[in-house]
Amino acid sequence: KAGVTQTPRYLIKTRGQQVTLSCSPISGHRSVSWYQQTPGQGLQFLFEYFSETQRNKGNFPGRFSGRQFSNSRSEMNVSTLELGDSALYLCASSLLGANVLTFGAGSRLTVL
Amino acid sequence: DQQVKQNSPSLSVQEGRISILNCDYTNSMFDYFLWYKKYPAEGPTFLISISSIKDKNEDGRFTVFLNKSAKHLSLHIVPSQPGDSAVYFCAASVQGSQGNLIFGKGTKLSVKP
Repeated sequence: KAGVTQTPRYLIKTRGQQVTLSCSPISGHRSVSWYQQTPGQGLQFLFEYFSETQRNKGNFPGRFSGRQFSNSRSEMNVSTLELGDSALYLCASSLLGANVLTFGAGSRLTVL
Repeated sequence: DQQVKQNSPSLSVQEGRISILNCDYTNSMFDYFLWYKKYPAEGPTFLISISSIKDKNEDGRFTVFLNKSAKHLSLHIVPSQPGDSAVYFCAASVQGSQGNLIFGKGTKLSVKP
């Protein structure tokens, strides 16, 4: 059974650009969550999607957005990139109502 | 304000000995707790969890203890192996939190041969 797949694994952008990250959940998992991991703040919740609807959102500015498609795949977008957006972005999937999240390997974003 | 705290950034133990990783939380509404392990360049991997209705859960070499009155949980690894060297994250959630796990900042465990 394939795990959570995130692409791209690594990317470098410059300030002011935007970026789109992709996540394919485990087959059968319809809930997809996104997290940002930085050395100073640890893992912080960005948002969660189920059935193409954002059900929950963390405390991040509106530059961070996401969406989910009918096949449960999800994307997140960060616009007007800032240096502080450099981080590991992790996607996780789960069955509806499950407490345990299964994480992908992450997308490492560097903003120069 | 950190709701989940792992006060030890690092821990070093000898192979074969017990590793004890600690975690404190402040929100009494948390009803489910998890431990994840993370190797460099990989995503966190689920290790073990415990519901707030229990005080202990065991899975092989890993045992998690929950002390609700102290708002404290711990992960015991016995015996520790070099392959256990990783960053361990404690996480907590509230029923119906819809994907929102609150993580501690992690403890880096080094198991020396």
